[in-house]
Amino acid sequence: GAGVSQSPSNKVTEKGKDVELRCDPISGHTALYWYRQSLGQGLEFLIYFQGNSAPDKSGLPSDRFSAERTGGSVSTLTIQRTQQEDSAVYLCASSLGTGANEKLFFGSGTQLSVL
Amino acid sequence: GNSVTQMEGPVTLSEEAFLTINCTYTATGYPSLFWYVQYPGEGLQLLLKATKADDKGSNKGFEATYRKETTSFHLEKGSVQVSDSAVYFCALSPFTGGGNKLTFGTGTQLKVEL
Repeated sequence: GAGVSQSPSNKVTEKGKDVELRCDPISGHTALYWYRQSLGQGLEFLIYFQGNSAPDKSGLPSDRFSAERTGGSVSTLTIQRTQQEDSAVYLCASSLGTGANEKLFFGSGTQLSVL
Repeated sequence: GNSVTQMEGPVTLSEEAFLTINCTYTATGYPSLFWYVQYPGEGLQLLLKATKADDKGSNKGFEATYRKETTSFHLEKGSVQVSDSAVYFCALSPFTGGGNKLTFGTGTQLKVEL
């Protein structure tokens, strides 16, 4: 596609429910990243994929968070048993490779609100 | 660990004013440094970058110089426009390989008025 696409753009859920956030990276981009932006905080790294594997999951805040990527393309971030502190903007980014100077292309994010 | 500190906003300027947004970092080794910008309703996009000490990144009239001695990467523009209103994020990437795991600052909102 022309850019990184994320869906839904907004999600309101009740505490305790599970949510799935989707990311469609730019076609041909092998690397995919998930970040979280909480109110008043910088962007917090969650996980990155090289192809379908996730070499670095160190940013996932708890075992309620998981992510997968299939076909080297679409990725889904799943949050189980959501809590109010999970409310944030979840950003996805992709890049052609994983070098330290690779340019990241970001989606517009999913605003998650947990009531 | 790595960290990025940037000046808090919001910053409000008149059109054609000079802009400085301060950014300092803490990192081991020799990270690459970036400024990303988020315009209203859009995703973050790379504004400029510098990969080694004394490098100057520049784009769209914005500049930032990688100062290792002061661990800084301040963003400057000589004459801002209303269209520059956005949130600006300073970020670093450790040169350790294995993924471009950026560490971001908290962002600085810039508002430019006529």
